[in-house]
Amino acid sequence: QQQVKQSPQSLIVQKGGISIINCAYENTAFDYFPWYQQFPGKGPALLIAIRPDVSEKKEGRFTISFNKSAKQFSLHIMDSQPGDSATYFCAASPTSGSRLTFGEGTQLTVNP
Amino acid sequence: SQTIHQWPATLVQPVGSPLSLECTVEGTSNPNLYWYRQAAGRGLQLLFYSVGIGQISSEVPQNLSASRPQDRQFILSSKKLLLSDSGFYLCAWQNNEQFFGPGTRLTVL
Repeated sequence: QQQVKQSPQSLIVQKGGISIINCAYENTAFDYFPWYQQFPGKGPALLIAIRPDVSEKKEGRFTISFNKSAKQFSLHIMDSQPGDSATYFCAASPTSGSRLTFGEGTQLTVNP
Repeated sequence: SQTIHQWPATLVQPVGSPLSLECTVEGTSNPNLYWYRQAAGRGLQLLFYSVGIGQISSEVPQNLSASRPQDRQFILSSKKLLLSDSGFYLCAWQNNEQFFGPGTRLTVL
């Protein structure tokens, strides 16, 4: 029940395309859903986060969509760029200050 | 602003040798602190977390231990390294959001 399932494991997108990464959870106590971006050899960096009181949050080209009834949330990267090539992790926790449960990660490659 | 430091950045150690990785946080007080390990091309495995000085929770039984001697210092240790301890070790701090350090690449030969 503590798992967060992330898909796909890897994703290849052409420059300018839309990258979509999906996550699903079981624990209905989860109330905070961040996404992290990790470049090779670096620590993950917080990208964007959402709480279930909204169905969508947008920051620049990055959008989180949240479906509370389906217990799913997704990251959309619009106009994907080669510089977006990285590993993306979704995560969830009961509150923003508690331990995160991470998905397994998605390796995104954006071809020029 | 808050800053998290990890050292060393890279480390090559022989099997059976001891290990000490250090993590320090600046600009915040009483954070939750975490140690993760990441194998090549894999996800984030939580090893230890701490909600205060001297308070350590272990997530995975293994060859490693952790200590928190000061509020903003978190240390990962081993008495005898195994080949399987190789990986990318990440420290993270959290008050509300969680932030990761730059990581230590450990290779055990």
